[in-house]
Amino acid sequence: AQSVTQLDSQVPVFEEAPVELRCNYSSSVSVYLFWYVQYPNQGLQLLLKYLSGSTLVKGINGFEAEFNKSQTSFHLRKPSVHISDTAEYFCAVSYFGNEKLTFGTGTRLTIIP
Amino acid sequence: DVKVTQSSRYLVKRTGEKVFLECVQDMDHENMFWYRQDPGLGLRLIYFSYDVKMKEKGDIPEGYSVSREKKERFSLILESASTNQTSMYLCASSSYRGTNTEAFFGQGTRLTVV
Repeated sequence: AQSVTQLDSQVPVFEEAPVELRCNYSSSVSVYLFWYVQYPNQGLQLLLKYLSGSTLVKGINGFEAEFNKSQTSFHLRKPSVHISDTAEYFCAVSYFGNEKLTFGTGTRLTIIP
Repeated sequence: DVKVTQSSRYLVKRTGEKVFLECVQDMDHENMFWYRQDPGLGLRLIYFSYDVKMKEKGDIPEGYSVSREKKERFSLILESASTNQTSMYLCASSSYRGTNTEAFFGQGTRLTVV
């Protein structure tokens, strides 16, 4: 069975500092990986996805993530955060032939001015 | 743009009531999902449907049922609402045409059962 672990429930970061949000997954087969963002009082919006090919994936709003198969990780990074990045971030996994998305418990990113 | 619309943003219902949460998508997606979101627990899948009249249980189906009579509409039913079903409910849709694609989400329905 597939599962996703987001170890950090909250991450405070100063404005313009870099940030990394961690995501580890477990699956016995090849996976597809996603990062979603949820701004206050809104639904989820896709930030980026890894389906195949290059392990470094670039997404919207300056975010990127790197797929590391040996470490079963898909960490999200941004070199310089802005106040508008304050949101909750969810990592999710699925695999070919199974449309079910399994989510992590989320990481709340707080930007300190 | 894909649009997933949930019929209500906020709902307050009484214990024991039958509750219907409606979701409509406009992109002819085959798959539709209902998730429940609770603080510290992330999103947990209640039910999903991969075709009209087809459904499969997710991780937490107890106390819920679903209906998909038309491709664009997926309803979540709480047969007899209880206070532990107070939560944010999120509907999503996706397509399996081509490679695996992302799910698109509605704005959510915050349900309070009193």
